[in-house]
Amino acid sequence: SQKIEQNSEALNIQEGKTATLTCNYTNYSPAYLQWYRQDPGRGPVFLLLIRENEKEKRKERLKVTFDTTLKQSLFHITASQPADSATYLCALDISGGFKTIFGAGTRLFVKA
Amino acid sequence: SAVISQKPSRDICQRGTSLTIQCQVDSQVTMMFWYRQQPGQSLTLIATANQGSEATYESGFVIDKFPISRPNLTFSTLTVSNMSPEDSSIYLCSVRSGGSYEQYFGPGTRLTVT
Repeated sequence: SQKIEQNSEALNIQEGKTATLTCNYTNYSPAYLQWYRQDPGRGPVFLLLIRENEKEKRKERLKVTFDTTLKQSLFHITASQPADSATYLCALDISGGFKTIFGAGTRLFVKA
Repeated sequence: SAVISQKPSRDICQRGTSLTIQCQVDSQVTMMFWYRQQPGQSLTLIATANQGSEATYESGFVIDKFPISRPNLTFSTLTVSNMSPEDSSIYLCSVRSGGSYEQYFGPGTRLTVT
């Protein structure tokens, strides 16, 4: 079956360290992969989009990699801060980009 | 980007009743989406609502249960009909503007059915 897997266990890291979150997928060939942040009681907020022909994308302290052979994306937050604590969702664009499917997300806790 | 508001933000409803959720966008957008999110779960797409055409529903969701209106490019409603406790969830609308793929989400409507 088609699915997106993100670490279901929460990730706890110390402030200042790099957080690395993983997104694996099966049976898709997405043209785009996106990462969103979701805080409790709020809707997801778009962070980054990476295309299938891009290996890496950066935005400030965020870095995303996309390996279409491994069917995996890694999401890095460098110099993490307690304000980075949230749930991070991976999303794939399928059906020619007309449909986006989301992973269940990984909860990140950054301790001061 | 787009700013999206939803009403109501939360509601507690009785079994068998219906609730209509409103989604208002601050700019004209072609594609609007309705999602459901249960606690700790991923977002599940209910339907895509494009202005001027019938909504397209995903597998497991039907128009009789979740009728959608899209009267113009800035507004949509989702009705949850004949509710049961299994419909308790957070309902989110989102939009995609222009030729971009990123989505902008409303704050969600937390529905509890008793």
